[in-house]
Amino acid sequence: ETGVTQSPTHLIKTRGQQVTLRCSSQSGHNTVSWYQQALGQGPQFIFQYYREEENGRGNFPPRFSGLQFPNYSSELNVNALELDDSALYLCASRYLRGTGELFFGEGSRLTVL
Amino acid sequence: GENVGLHLPTLSVQEGDNSIINCAYSNSASDYFIWYKQESGKGPQFIIDIRSNMDKRQGQRVTVLLNKTVKHLSLQIAATQPGDSAVYFCAEATGLSGSRLTFGEGTQLTVNP
Repeated sequence: ETGVTQSPTHLIKTRGQQVTLRCSSQSGHNTVSWYQQALGQGPQFIFQYYREEENGRGNFPPRFSGLQFPNYSSELNVNALELDDSALYLCASRYLRGTGELFFGEGSRLTVL
Repeated sequence: GENVGLHLPTLSVQEGDNSIINCAYSNSASDYFIWYKQESGKGPQFIIDIRSNMDKRQGQRVTVLLNKTVKHLSLQIAATQPGDSAVYFCAEATGLSGSRLTFGEGTQLTVNP
């Protein structure tokens, strides 16, 4: 049990739609990052938030955006969905000055038709 | 670049044997690496980490070896158990206190009873 919960666990969208994925972190975890994991591949870093501001971004277009809230929850928003956005989206959090271990949630499986 | 890759996509061992999972990286400036285990339907789980000022680090039944000369690291699992069956990823940790991870593609470890 990592203390990181994500919702929804599964969802299906159609191309062009928008989606919001949610993550609830452990109390005190002020750093949250999001990853996209395509089937059979390793997770790819999307971006990271620290104290409610984006702090580092991977090679993802601006239609991927996020929010981090003071209550240790966060969101990943994806606009204008494309078929290639179908993947498992993972949220990970930690306390910045902690041991370095990132705690991952179990992910949200997005299918774009 | 920050490529982190794995030599073998699959590894099958007998219960009780030792397992060795290999990983190569290309960025000679990389200084912090983490091994993750991902079971089916779950998020990655931290196993062990190592910094570049070390060659070896041991945990419970696991050992990570780092060879900076050839930019290679390995994960050794002693007395492999059926519960060790999972996909194993090495990841390079960079960014804000090492919280940005660049994952390899993963090795599927299957433990036969």
